[in-house]
Amino acid sequence: ETGVTQSPTHLIKTRGQQVTLRCSSQSGHNTVSWYQQALGQGPQFIFQYYREEENGRGNFPPRFSGLQFPNYSSELNVNALELDDSALYLCASSTSRSGGPKNGELFFGEGSRLTVL
Amino acid sequence: AQSVTQLDSQVPVFEEAPVELRCNYSSSVSVYLFWYVQYPNQGLQLLLKYLSGSTLVKGINGFEAEFNKSQTSFHLRKPSVHISDTAEYFCAVIARTSYDKVIFGPGTSLSVIP
Repeated sequence: ETGVTQSPTHLIKTRGQQVTLRCSSQSGHNTVSWYQQALGQGPQFIFQYYREEENGRGNFPPRFSGLQFPNYSSELNVNALELDDSALYLCASSTSRSGGPKNGELFFGEGSRLTVL
Repeated sequence: AQSVTQLDSQVPVFEEAPVELRCNYSSSVSVYLFWYVQYPNQGLQLLLKYLSGSTLVKGINGFEAEFNKSQTSFHLRKPSVHISDTAEYFCAVIARTSYDKVIFGPGTSLSVIP
């Protein structure tokens, strides 16, 4: 039990639609990262937020965007959904001194499984 | 930039037998190293981590890993596996001095056979 909660747990969308996934960080954690995990693969870094600002981004197009709120909860938004966006989306929170995971340790939620038809 | 290789995509092993899951990494700077476990339909859980000090680190559920700087490896071991160890295991790395992303390997699926 990491204290990181994600919603919804499962959802189905069609191509071209938009989706918002939500994450509540563990208490005291000020950094949140989002990862995409396609079936049978390792998690791929999407982006990271620290103090409500994006401070790191992986190789994902701009239609993937996010927000971090003052209470450190976070949202991941994906516009113009494509079939390849079908994946498990993982949120991970961590403490930070200057914007990255302190000692690199991440605390993961159980993910939101997105299916795009 | 860092990268992680897990040479074995699937490892079947009989219950109570020992197991080693291999991990090699590439980095031009010093790194922290991790092993995470993912049970079916769940998120990732930290098994163990190497930050500094002794190169042999012990984690939860009887797992241990050894950091070998010269071979850039961080192999995971358990002397006797249980059915409940069946899961996906991910090796991960982050540069020590950057506030950058954690990089994950592709994962190794461990199947424990009764």
